[in-house]
Parts: sequence; structure tokens; C-alpha cells
Amino acid sequence: AQKITQTQPGMFVQEKEAVTLDCTYDTSDPSYGLFWYKQPSSGEMIFLIYQGSYDQQNATEGRYSLNFQKARKSANLVISASQLGDSAMYFCAMREGAYNTDKLIFGTGTRLQVFP
Amino acid sequence: DGGITQSPKYLFRKEGQNVTLSCEQNLNHDAMYWYRQDPGQGLRLIYYSQIVNDFQKGDIAEGYSVSREKKESFPLTVTSAQKNPTAFYLCASSGSGTGHQNEKLFFGSGTQLSVL
Repeated sequence: AQKITQTQPGMFVQEKEAVTLDCTYDTSDPSYGLFWYKQPSSGEMIFLIYQGSYDQQNATEGRYSLNFQKARKSANLVISASQLGDSAMYFCAMREGAYNTDKLIFGTGTRLQVFP
Repeated sequence: DGGITQSPKYLFRKEGQNVTLSCEQNLNHDAMYWYRQDPGQGLRLIYYSQIVNDFQKGDIAEGYSVSREKKESFPLTVTSAQKNPTAFYLCASSGSGTGHQNEKLFFGSGTQLSVL
């Protein structure tokens, strides 16, 4: 079974609009972490936001927020006020277990295109 | 500046040849990882190491080998047994200990490996 599922292979959004990228996860471990990364065409992976399984509030980092719905095992990324530079691949990832050095499992990604 | 350095950026392999991809970090991180990315797909874990002189197989370890003799270095060898090595390879590291900063993976800029 897939541990991380991103069902949207591609998304379009107009500049200055908000967009939600979906991510669902599957784990029986009570301790886990959820991540979103951005990969521009240059190839490097850029960390965007992190949510711990015990965090009470949804994580926010500037224009990025994570809509964490634990019971539904959902960790959607919301980008507000989209910019042309947001066009990239976006990956959701999960770390199972309590240790920071445990491995990360990635989803297949969503390609976001922002148009003027 | 602290970071992860991968070299070379582009690498070509001849049939039956072993090649080694370099990954060096000066972040004083305990854990290091190698991921493979195929076009339009997510990242798949090849090997990871949580501490010096120890490493574990990821999901697609066949045809690859690693070593972790020093904390700073985690080279990946693509052996001749790997029949489909053409891909983008990403190295990453993460810290240990508590704190939000230690949760995320830091990535190198990647190596594109192609077969001649």
C-alpha cells in the first residue's frame, strides 16, 4: 500500500489566487512527521513546511500552510497568493517513527503551474 | 556556508562500468540518504545511514552500494548490476536531537546519471 498518496499529477492556478495540493498518508505509528518540498526545474529540493503528528495547530510558513486533518490522514498544502515563481513540482513526504534520522517516504508529486 | 555538495553534476556510464557519486556535507548531520528520481516520478530511497559505519537498504538498493566511513561523506556506487541506472540522484542529510530544525532533510543539487 502507498504510504504517501498525491492524487493530482498536475494543477493550474492563476497568479494571486490560492491553491491546495492534496496529500494523504498511511501509517499506524503514532509518532510521525509530514513534510512538503518544492522542486523547481533546476532540480534542487527546497523545504517548505513541516507538521509533527503531535502538533496541535496547523503549521504555517509565510504563504504556505498545512491543512492537517489527523483523523482523515490528510496533510494538504495551501499556497496563498500564488506567484509565477511557485511553478514547480511539489512533493509530500512522511517520516515514520520518533527519531529525526528515520527515513522519509515521498509521494509521486504534483506539478503546479501558475499562469498570469 | 553549510550545505551538501554533490558531484559531479552530470555523469555518464558505459556498459559494465561502476561509477561513484560523491556526497559531502558540512552540517554536522548524523543521518544521510540517497534517493533516485526518474522523470515525472517521486523520490525513491536507495540507501540511508543514521550513523557512521552503519547503513541500511532502502526500497531500491539492488545494484547500488554505499559506504559511511566519515560523518561528512556518503558516496554512492552504481554498479554494473544496476541495469537501468539513468536517473537523477539526490543526496540528503538530517540532524539528530530535538527541535523543529532537525526534522527536515537538506538536499544537495543532484547528479544526473546517463548511460552511454
